Amino acid sequence: DAGVTQSPTHLIKTRGQHVTLRCSPISGHKSVSWYQQVLGQGPQFIFQYYEKEERGRGNFPDRFSARQFPNYSSELNVNALLLGDSALYLCASSLFGRASQETQYFGPGTRLLVL
Amino acid sequence: EDKVVQSPLSLVVHEGDTVTLNCSYEVTNFRSLLWYKQEKKAPTFLFMLTSSGIEKKSGRLSSILDKKELFSILNITATQTGDSAIYLCAVPLLFTSGTYKYIFGTGTRLKVLA
Repeated sequence: DAGVTQSPTHLIKTRGQHVTLRCSPISGHKSVSWYQQVLGQGPQFIFQYYEKEERGRGNFPDRFSARQFPNYSSELNVNALLLGDSALYLCASSLFGRASQETQYFGPGTRLLVL
Repeated sequence: EDKVVQSPLSLVVHEGDTVTLNCSYEVTNFRSLLWYKQEKKAPTFLFMLTSSGIEKKSGRLSSILDKKELFSILNITATQTGDSAIYLCAVPLLFTSGTYKYIFGTGTRLKVLA
């Protein structure tokens, strides 16, 4: 079975631009979470979606938004990019996103560089 | 404030050495703790720990949880160069909606020299 997939793998943007990152969860998983990992830090939670609804949001500005589609894939959008948005963006999928004994499985990430 | 703290931040050892990585936590309504290995990009799942004192083992890796003292350790015996990676510790934090997010530590960067 395919794991979590993300696209693109790398992206270079300039300040002020907009970016869309994509994620496909493991087949059968209905929950997708997004994390931002800056160099030298652990991943920071951005959003969680389950059944196309936002179920949790981290401490990120409104420039960050996301959505989940009927096939459970997800997009993360970031507007008005800042240099500080440069990071590895990780997508994680889990079955339902509800039970604390579930495991989240991570995709390979999208490395975003903002110049 | 909920937090997860890992130590050491980095570690350099030689092949064959044994290493112990530490993770301490202060999280409301603790349920479980997870360890991940991150080599290049995707963190890969190693262990989930929910009960104190029960060791989880996979090959040369093992981990144990102490819910009284609020910490976990990850041991790697007979280290190999392929063990070089960042090891992340994560604790789920529940939302009122019933879903959860992971709080991660900053990770321990392990480098194993041949």
